[in-house]
Amino acid sequence: EVQLVESGGGLVQPGGSLRLSCATSGFTFSSYWMNWVRQAPGKGLEWVANIKQDGSDQNYVDSVKGRFTISRDNAKNSLSLQMNSLRAEDTALYYCGGGVGWIITDWGQGTLVTVSS
Amino acid sequence: DIVMTQSPDSLAVSLGERATINCKSSQSVLSSSNNKNYLSWYQQKPGQPPKLLIYWASTRESGVPDRFSGSGSGTDFTLTISSLQAEDVAVYYCHQYHSSPLTFGGGTKVEIK
Repeated sequence: EVQLVESGGGLVQPGGSLRLSCATSGFTFSSYWMNWVRQAPGKGLEWVANIKQDGSDQNYVDSVKGRFTISRDNAKNSLSLQMNSLRAEDTALYYCGGGVGWIITDWGQGTLVTVSS
Repeated sequence: DIVMTQSPDSLAVSLGERATINCKSSQSVLSSSNNKNYLSWYQQKPGQPPKLLIYWASTRESGVPDRFSGSGSGTDFTLTISSLQAEDVAVYYCHQYHSSPLTFGGGTKVEIK
């Protein structure tokens, strides 16, 4: 059974940092492009970043470039998102998801990030 | 960036009737190299992550009921639910994976009339 479990969310002040993790099992992690997608409360889906199977290529939405860093550890089947200089508009449920190519076939349940003073 | 515009924002359909959701991209998502449309559809129910329904614009994901179908090419796409069931109440999103940044439509909420 494919499983993706996000963790690391929480309440952080504006300007602060947070590191999200996604533990995976049930599929060949090293074969998947992996993504972070977020959803602000009551809003739609916004893709945040993705990373190639071997970690050699990463892409980001403009609003997080220079602040967020996506990374992966294929030995541990895990994905991470380091988030710095957080803003109120980064408040959202953050999903990790992956698939062969850029199609996101499998998703976790999400971890909530709240940026507020 | 490719902007994805869905219509309508919401629709109410009677059980057993057809539901049609439209999605328009600001640029073509058809690849000339493989003649594939880099367009997928997701279903999201309250409190749940998105679920992949359709990819390559018209390929149904394994396990998805055949009442769900996708069509279209280039910049104009449609998701059709041929006979709406109670369990289909959800928000539906189109998504382009042709180029970065990947982008989603704003969502269409489907309800029972």
